[in-house]
Formats: sequence, structure tokens, C-alpha cells
Amino acid sequence: NAGVTQTPKFQVLKTGQSMTLQCAQDMNHNSMYWYRQDPGMGLRLIYYSASEGTTDKGEVPNGYNVSRLNKREFSLRLESAAPSQTSVYFCASSEATSGLIYEQYFGPGTRLTVT
Amino acid sequence: AQTVTQSQPEMSVQEAETVTLSCTYDTSESDYYLFWYKQPPSRQMILVIRQEAYKQQNATENRFSVNFQKAAKSFSLKISDSQLGDAAMYFCAYRSGEGSNDYKLSFGAGTTVTVRA
Repeated sequence: NAGVTQTPKFQVLKTGQSMTLQCAQDMNHNSMYWYRQDPGMGLRLIYYSASEGTTDKGEVPNGYNVSRLNKREFSLRLESAAPSQTSVYFCASSEATSGLIYEQYFGPGTRLTVT
Repeated sequence: AQTVTQSQPEMSVQEAETVTLSCTYDTSESDYYLFWYKQPPSRQMILVIRQEAYKQQNATENRFSVNFQKAAKSFSLKISDSQLGDAAMYFCAYRSGEGSNDYKLSFGAGTTVTVRA
């Protein structure tokens, strides 16, 4: 049981290049999330998808786009990378049933450096 | 997003001793959930403990326990009998429960715990 997987694990981009971070979960979860982690700031939500077919902005969406390809997959795209997007990116998923407390399961993260 | 504050950037504890990490949050909601996540050097985020705001009883998971003070909006984590494997960054997180259908988390900045042998 793989849980949440992310590819790639590491990436170096030049300013202006584009790339897509891939995320997949095999737990049949409805909700998926993309966070970024910067030193001293914890994790901040970029985008999320409460259910298949829906996506919404989080706290720091500028410079990113997302696609909920199907229930399993949720990708994050950087159209024109900037040095300010150097960060560690985490994908997470959770079940979504009102009234119940479900934890979020996290992928291993992608360390992205933009030069 | 709700504001979650962890005022201790770093904490150090002797092996087998106890350490308490503080967390406060700002909310006007009465229904919500609180979590502590552990992030070891491997970078993997691991759930340590969770608390439902409507429960008065403090959650406990083996050597980890919380002190949940709803009126004070405080949610501290106590690690008892600290072990070398407890060395990690710990994040406090908040999740709205009122009419929420997205279950997104707001995180604090984290506290790095060092365990001395």
C-alpha cells in the first residue's frame, strides 16, 4: 500500500522554466491538497481539491495551477518558475465525511530549487 | 486561514525526560479539530495526536499527550520519557469543523525538538 506518492523527489529549474509536480494516492480519498514548506513558516496551503472535479485556492496560490485529473491524481504546475518558488512541496490526501475527524496523509515531498 | 502560533522555535530535552511544546490558535469557531504532526529528518509528515474541540478529555497516545484549554485557545503537546527517535520538527495544525467540506489545515511555524543522549 503506497499511500501518497509524489514525483519527482528533487528538481532544479532555471527561472522561467515550467514543470508539473505529480501526486497520486491509492487510499480512495476524496480530498487532496498541495502545500509548500519554507523555513520558519510551517506548511502553507497552495491549492486543494475537496472532491473530484473541484479545485480551490488556498493561502498562497499565485504562480501555480492545479489539475485534479481523477480521484487518484492531483498535479501542481509552475508555468514560469521564480526563485521565490524554491521550497519543499507536499501533497496530501484525506477522506472527507462531515462530522468525522480524518487525518491528512502526506507524500514524501519534492524539494524544488529555482535558480 | 486560521492563525496558529508556536512560540518556541527550538526545544532541547534530555533522554528519558519530559518536554512540553506550546501552541495557541486564533478562531471564532466552536467546532474544530487540532493536530500535532511530527516531521523527522526524512521529511515525512507523521500524525502524532489529534483532538476534537467538543471533547473535554485530553487526547493521549502512548508517551504523547495534550493539554487542551479551549477557553485559552491553547493546545500543548507533552512528550514523556523522551527518546532519541523523538528528535524532529513538530507542527501544530488547526482544521475547521463548522460547515466545512474541504478539511484543509492551517499549520504553525513548527518547533524543532532535540533529544540529548
